Amino acid sequence: DQQVKQNSPSLSVQEGRISILNCDYTNSMFDYFLWYKKYPAEGPTFLISISSIKDKNEDGRFTVFLNKSAKHLSLHIVPSQPGDSAVYFCAASARDRMRFGAGTRLTVKP
Amino acid sequence: DAGITQSPRHKVTETGTPVTLRCHQTENHRYMYWYRQDPGHGLRLIHYSYGVKDTDKGEVSDGYSVSRSKTEDFLLTLESATSSQTSVYFCAIRAGTPVGTQYFGPGTRLTVL
Repeated sequence: DQQVKQNSPSLSVQEGRISILNCDYTNSMFDYFLWYKKYPAEGPTFLISISSIKDKNEDGRFTVFLNKSAKHLSLHIVPSQPGDSAVYFCAASARDRMRFGAGTRLTVKP
Repeated sequence: DAGITQSPRHKVTETGTPVTLRCHQTENHRYMYWYRQDPGHGLRLIHYSYGVKDTDKGEVSDGYSVSRSKTEDFLLTLESATSSQTSVYFCAIRAGTPVGTQYFGPGTRLTVL
């Protein structure tokens, strides 16, 4: 029962360009959506979140967009930097629990 | 840094042996979580706790038990480890802000031979 899906296992972009990571969900009860970044041998680190009552949240180079009617969210990174290379997890929260997507590995080439 | 430590960081054990992983937090958070991370599955919730002695099951709880006798410690026990429990285990706490955000420990890599 995959309530949160990231359909692209990997993404490769050139340094300075935009990275767009996508996520779809099925449960209308989710009230917060989050993105986490994970480097090898480390725990996931919180990146940015958005409430279900908003459609956009921006923090520096990172912007998250939420389309509730399509049950879709995306993370935009502009401009992409080599240090952004990591696995990105999309997550959705309802009550006490969080569900995660399978992750997208982003590679930013110099 | 949410003040979360996990021990051990690495463990190799044999099928059928009991294993206990420890999560320790220093900031008095009420909610604590145990996840496992496997390729193609992201992070899946095993158990969580919403207070001392208050726990509930997650989506992959079979074969695992937990205990929380103090606010700062949340233990995950594999009563009889199996090879399917080879994974990376992460502990998390739920912070007040941003709402609903969880912060993760560094992880424990467990190998069951």
